[in-house]
Amino acid sequence: GQQLNQSPQSMFIQEGEDVSMNCTSSSIFNTWLWYKQEPGEGPVLLIALYKAGELTSNGRLTAQFGITRKDSFLNISASIPSDVGIYFCAGQIGSARQLTFGSGTQLTVLP
Amino acid sequence: EAGVAQSPRYKIIEKRQSVAFWCNPISGHATLYWYQQILGQGPKLLIQFQNNGVVDDSQLPKDRFSAERLKGVDSTLKIQPAKLEDSAVYLCASSLGSPGIRISPLHFGNGTRLTVT
Repeated sequence: GQQLNQSPQSMFIQEGEDVSMNCTSSSIFNTWLWYKQEPGEGPVLLIALYKAGELTSNGRLTAQFGITRKDSFLNISASIPSDVGIYFCAGQIGSARQLTFGSGTQLTVLP
Repeated sequence: EAGVAQSPRYKIIEKRQSVAFWCNPISGHATLYWYQQILGQGPKLLIQFQNNGVVDDSQLPKDRFSAERLKGVDSTLKIQPAKLEDSAVYLCASSLGSPGIRISPLHFGNGTRLTVT
């Protein structure tokens, strides 16, 4: 099936630091979504992107839809302990009626 | 608005037994999805419904998994008989189901954690 390469797989950062993670693919995407999942819960939508080059913010989170339509990144500024969790990218490839999920980035914020 | 409801939260069964999961999507959401999430991986789509019709079940192991969405609202996912490798979290999600080319964002329930021993 289609593959999304999400990196890094895990990150350990100090509280207050900025974080960046990304997803890349060889396929062209029409939609990019970023989700956060905490233990025992389902993924929660953070940001949705629909146009190449689009840059969208949600509080301290900023995500961009890559110009080539094959990648997206998520930045978190001034991290806090509640940012801990697994962040997933998910994309719609072409006219597919489903989302393809990345394998996730596990974020740990150290006090 | 109420979110996606799933039950049970946890289930432990022995291999070769049967199990069923239930999902109630967000009111008004036409599209319903079942995903399997194995520990350390992203969710993998099992089946997608639009109202009460199946849109995609290409990754559903049909020899043991079945799902239905009668009346286009609630859905059940069944595994019979279960195997050890079915141990995972089963997530239900729903979306508005836009008529255009773009997928509406998915809203997930908290999942059912299945352990097969």
